[in-house]
Amino acid sequence: DAMVIQNPRYQVTQFGKPVTLSCSQTLNHNVMYWYQQKSSQAPKLLFHYYDKDFNNEADTPDNFQSRRPNTSFCFLDIRSPGLGDTAMYLCATRPITGTANYGYTFGSGTRLTVV
Amino acid sequence: AQKVTQAQTEISVVEKEDVTLDCVYETRDTTYYLFWYKQPPSGELVFLIRRNSFDEQNEISGRYSWNFQKSTSSFNFTITASQVVDSAVYFCALSEDFSGGYNKLIFGAGTRLAVHP
Repeated sequence: DAMVIQNPRYQVTQFGKPVTLSCSQTLNHNVMYWYQQKSSQAPKLLFHYYDKDFNNEADTPDNFQSRRPNTSFCFLDIRSPGLGDTAMYLCATRPITGTANYGYTFGSGTRLTVV
Repeated sequence: AQKVTQAQTEISVVEKEDVTLDCVYETRDTTYYLFWYKQPPSGELVFLIRRNSFDEQNEISGRYSWNFQKSTSSFNFTITASQVVDSAVYFCALSEDFSGGYNKLIFGAGTRLAVHP
């Protein structure tokens, strides 16, 4: 009964070839996040959506884009992946105040390898 | 600015030893939440605990316990009688008040725990 589903689990892409990672949720949470986690590092926030309102972190490269066509789905697009973009990409969701659960729910992640 | 510091990069223990993972945080908010997550080699983040800033009660869950002290801005995690299955990277994280949609989870650098038989 996974509530935040990330596809694919593993992705290999060629240097410079656009790639899209997907995240879907069955929780109806307002907020969705994308984190990048490189080997032996902490997860780093790339951007998040509050409903349709997009919030980019100041140091997120322009190469990274996101789309949220509806509440359930959020996509991470990497327009021209470089070798340094090899990482685990984690999607998370969160409800806003007013619900019982204030926690973040993470997906299992997508391990992206750029070759 | 918010910040989480996990000074211990790696800890190695022998099975059945007790081990404490340290976490120190910085925030100007009066309402905030602290978390611990476990990340096994498979990569998913496993939620362990959430504590809000108004609740300084220590918590125990089986072999796990947490000590929250606002006076020292610390939220330490102790595993009693460690087991090999406890081997993982552990992250401490901080989030400001959840009212509104613009806050985020800030992670510490993580502590890699290796438990040897």
